[in-house]
Amino acid sequence: NAGVTQTPKFRVLKTGQSMTLLCAQDMNHEYMYWYRQDPGMGLRLIHYSVGEGTTAKGEVPDGYNVSRLKKQNFLLGLESAAPSQTSVYFCASRPGLAGVIGELFFGEGSRLTVL
Amino acid sequence: AQKITQTQPGMFVQEKEAVTLDCTYDTSDPSYGLFWYKQPSSGEMIFLIYQGSYDQQNATEGRYSLNFQKARKSANLVISASQLGDSAMYFCAMSGGAGSYQLTFGKGTKLSVIP
Repeated sequence: NAGVTQTPKFRVLKTGQSMTLLCAQDMNHEYMYWYRQDPGMGLRLIHYSVGEGTTAKGEVPDGYNVSRLKKQNFLLGLESAAPSQTSVYFCASRPGLAGVIGELFFGEGSRLTVL
Repeated sequence: AQKITQTQPGMFVQEKEAVTLDCTYDTSDPSYGLFWYKQPSSGEMIFLIYQGSYDQQNATEGRYSLNFQKARKSANLVISASQLGDSAMYFCAMSGGAGSYQLTFGKGTKLSVIP
């Protein structure tokens, strides 16, 4: 009954360090997303993927890279972390059924602090 | 481009009373979906209700209903008989039609239920 799992849940980085957030879903969903949530800003889309091997930019992609080598996993990378990337990151997935507009299934979030 | 506007940063409601959370949207897609999510203080995102743009009737899910006024481009969430556990952030979101992959979120409304 895992759904969408994010790893790690918490991380503190120093400016300039790199890290990768892992998102894994066991629902065989085609679409996967990375959002960031900042106070007063709602959720903003960073990158998304519509299938294995595909990625696309969202609203705020700068400073992030992503990969979807396996259908069930969507990785978010920070090559050189900056304090402006301090945020809560949410991964989400949804089925890719043609003609169906489905809701997003969210992970529990990952809180990242960049000092 | 899609846009969601939630004009109420915070709301208070007395326990057992009904409350309406406002959401207006803007899109040029003829087909779209509207969603509401709840985020309690624990941080997870909980899907509440969905309304399709071609649905003739307003969506309802238990104590939640979506007051959909297409001409006004509004999709307000109505919570009946508020409970203390309803205290949370509430986000309105929208998705374009088939072939559109992204959900766009509003900035949220913080609801506080007063005993």
